[in-house]
Amino acid sequence: ETGVTQTPRHLVMGMTNKKSLKCEQHLGHNAMYWYKQSAKKPLELMFVYSLEERVENNSVPSRFSPECPNSSHLFLHLHTLQPEDSALYLCASSLTGTAVGYTFGSGTRLTVV
Amino acid sequence: SNSVKQTGQITVSEGASVTMNCTYTSTGYPTLFWYVEYPSKPLQLLQRETMENSKNFGGGNIKDKNSPIVKYSVQVSDSAVYYCLLCQTSGSRLTFGEGTQLTVNP
Repeated sequence: ETGVTQTPRHLVMGMTNKKSLKCEQHLGHNAMYWYKQSAKKPLELMFVYSLEERVENNSVPSRFSPECPNSSHLFLHLHTLQPEDSALYLCASSLTGTAVGYTFGSGTRLTVV
Repeated sequence: SNSVKQTGQITVSEGASVTMNCTYTSTGYPTLFWYVEYPSKPLQLLQRETMENSKNFGGGNIKDKNSPIVKYSVQVSDSAVYYCLLCQTSGSRLTFGEGTQLTVNP
């Protein structure tokens, strides 16, 4: 375990479903991130929560909605997804102001049917 | 199983050329990504390497399971952590290297 825990590990959902991905870290980090990893594509940064502020990639569709209730937890709420949203979703955390680096979770493999 | 190994730390002076290795073990021919992390900023994609364009990057060949990145005439601003990411062709397996901390002294 890296210290960043993501659940579930795998998720299959229909296009009309609503689901949430969860990420949790107790590393004392103060920034958390959602990344999307599609096949043969580089990581795509979706959202950043740093010091309780949210920064988002404007290209991310509104059917993805992040929530960060505190510095240790991060959610990604999903609704009315499309098949092209099937990908590996990675959560990461870091301590801003240092070069310690990112700690990534193992990811949630999402399949939209 | 997949694995990615990188040099832990490299310290050089400005103007030097630096080669950062990424040695991987893989059951297939994956895509290799290099990411750079500047202090307090998210990962940024530096380059990607596939079987088709492996001749164009650095001195390595992805078929030989080593894919280095070369930076010429580095500046202090190049000081960062450089991560190598191995992505299986199916997209279902991701393996990160531990990163190389590059420090460039003035």
